[in-house]
Parts: sequence; structure tokens; C-alpha cells
Amino acid sequence: QQPVQSPQAVILREGEDAVINCSSSKALYSVHWYRQKHGEAPVFLMILLKGGEQKGHEKISASFNEKKQQSSLYLTASQLSYSGTYFCGTECGRQADGLTFGKGTHLIIQP
Amino acid sequence: EPEVTQTPSHQVTQMGQEVILRCVPISNHLYFYWYRQILGQKVEFLVSFYNNEISEKSEIFDDQFSVERPDGSNFTLKIRSTKLEDSAMYFCASSSDTEAFFGQGTRLTVV
Repeated sequence: QQPVQSPQAVILREGEDAVINCSSSKALYSVHWYRQKHGEAPVFLMILLKGGEQKGHEKISASFNEKKQQSSLYLTASQLSYSGTYFCGTECGRQADGLTFGKGTHLIIQP
Repeated sequence: EPEVTQTPSHQVTQMGQEVILRCVPISNHLYFYWYRQILGQKVEFLVSFYNNEISEKSEIFDDQFSVERPDGSNFTLKIRSTKLEDSAMYFCASSSDTEAFFGQGTRLTVV
């Protein structure tokens, strides 16, 4: 069953913050976040493993609440380059099982 | 920087024809995946491959599809008797232990 992402779309002005949520009805082993620009391949942002950790990558960070089976991606002081569609991919068991992706959150950053 | 490469970048084929999509994963990776993305929709898992055999496959991956690793480097997806609804972007991905790296994709158009 695919994870549910919210919101579906966000329009921000450069410098504003955004939070993208991903929730699953199944117990998760890991959550992967990707960003995809139009016509390009998804680009890996970060992975969070069960254990309730939080990770950061420049001004983009994420948290994983294992009990709630939720992950949130935080984008602070957004830049124009952050525009794209953000997908969370969830993994419930073995790495070899592949990722189940949500429908994506479209993020548009305006100058 | 090592990357996953896919060929061709775009293929147009007539309905009913067979196509083979090719991928060269990152050389020291052990897990290989095929994903599909219909235009404007989410990325969907098709199949994963580990230790020279299929590890997991989704409901989409029916008898019409097959994967092979014909030599030590290539990883192929064959689609037999293509249908109009097979038109999509097909992404190959590979991983070593955590994150999966995606190729740039092959856009398949069935006419």
C-alpha cells in the first residue's frame, strides 16, 4: 500500500519554509526522500531508518517517527533550485523489495 | 561520479512489438530495480533483482515483462507485445546498501 503524502502542492516565495509529510498504514523499516525535476530522474535526498532519527542535508532535513509511521521533510529558507516534485519512498522489509512511492508533492518556488 | 546509465533515452514502438530497455548499473552495486512512471503520475515499482535472480516483483510485472542480466554489467527489461498503456518513463536504479540511484530513464511511447 502506497504512502500518503501531503500536501499535494505548495507554492512558496524564495526564502520561505515548507514541510512535506509522508505517512504509511504499514510498519516501516525506512523512508527515502527523492526530488524529481520535470523530465528528469528522481534524485536521492536522504534515507531515514527506523529508530526515530532526524537527518539534515544543507537546508533540507527530515524526521522519521517510527511509532506513527510518519516522516516529514523540512525545507528551510527555500531556494529556487528546490522546485520540483518530492516523493517519499517507503520500505517495509528487505532492501531487495524495492520502494513504494507516494504520489508526490509539487513544490514551486517563486522569486 | 559513478552513475546509472540507460539506453535508449527515448523509444517509439508500435503496439504489439517487443522492446528491450537497457541499463548499466553502478559497478559495485548489488541490488537492481526497474520502476515505471506514467506521465504526471508517481513512480511505481516493477521488479527488483539480487544475486542474479528476481527478488521481488509488483502486480504490474506480469508475464509480459522479463528481466535479465546477460553479462556482468548490463541489466535489461524486456516488454513483450507492448500495449498503449505501457507508454511511460522507465527508470532503472541500483543500490549497494542504502540509497538507490536512478538512471535518467527511457521514455517509451507505444503507438
